[in-house]
Amino acid sequence: GAVVSQHPSWVICKSGTSVKIECRSLDFQATTMFWYRQFPKQSLMLMATSNEGSKATYEQGVEKDKFLINHASLTLSTLTVTSAHPEDSSFYICSARDGRAETQYFGPGTRLLVL
Amino acid sequence: RKEVEQDPGPFNVPEGATVAFNCTYSNSASQSFFWYRQDCRKEPKLLMSVYSSGNEDGRFTAQLNRASQYISLLIRDSKLSDSATYLCVVNGGGAALIFGKGTTLSVSS
Repeated sequence: GAVVSQHPSWVICKSGTSVKIECRSLDFQATTMFWYRQFPKQSLMLMATSNEGSKATYEQGVEKDKFLINHASLTLSTLTVTSAHPEDSSFYICSARDGRAETQYFGPGTRLLVL
Repeated sequence: RKEVEQDPGPFNVPEGATVAFNCTYSNSASQSFFWYRQDCRKEPKLLMSVYSSGNEDGRFTAQLNRASQYISLLIRDSKLSDSATYLCVVNGGGAALIFGKGTTLSVSS
């Protein structure tokens, strides 16, 4: 099946720093990528939908100035958590949609811990 | 009302048991339905899509009832390796997926 990678897999940072997470589709072109967040014992919550070459669409309650998304190519989307705070600590997962199919393929996720 | 609701469990069953999970969704316009499996501290992985006619993949059978907005997953002959959280997923319009909180299954020997 299609492969999606995320980097880094773990991040520990101090409060106030910015963290960039990369999501890559390795063997297909992803016109659309999605960013999710999952808190312990909670469901995955969609944060934003990222389309190549255009601005991301954010879900209600997600601050677009805090969670910056860039989808500069058909194989790469980045999520930058700006001025991270402890409440931003979570499991961030991206997914990529193969344009030819409905299926979304998930990256392995990035665990962010803000101290 | 939550968009996708599942019984969180946990379901604790012995090896070989048959177990069924249920899920309801609120958006009647949803067109695509899936079951994903998520292991502890890992990303979700697609288990199977769910079709109106019902579909089977080995020990796994999925059913969809559009009129009742209800989805089910049946696992026969449970294995230890089936222990995981099972996520009911529907599309929320467009390509965005809406996830349920998941149902935890623990299979013991």
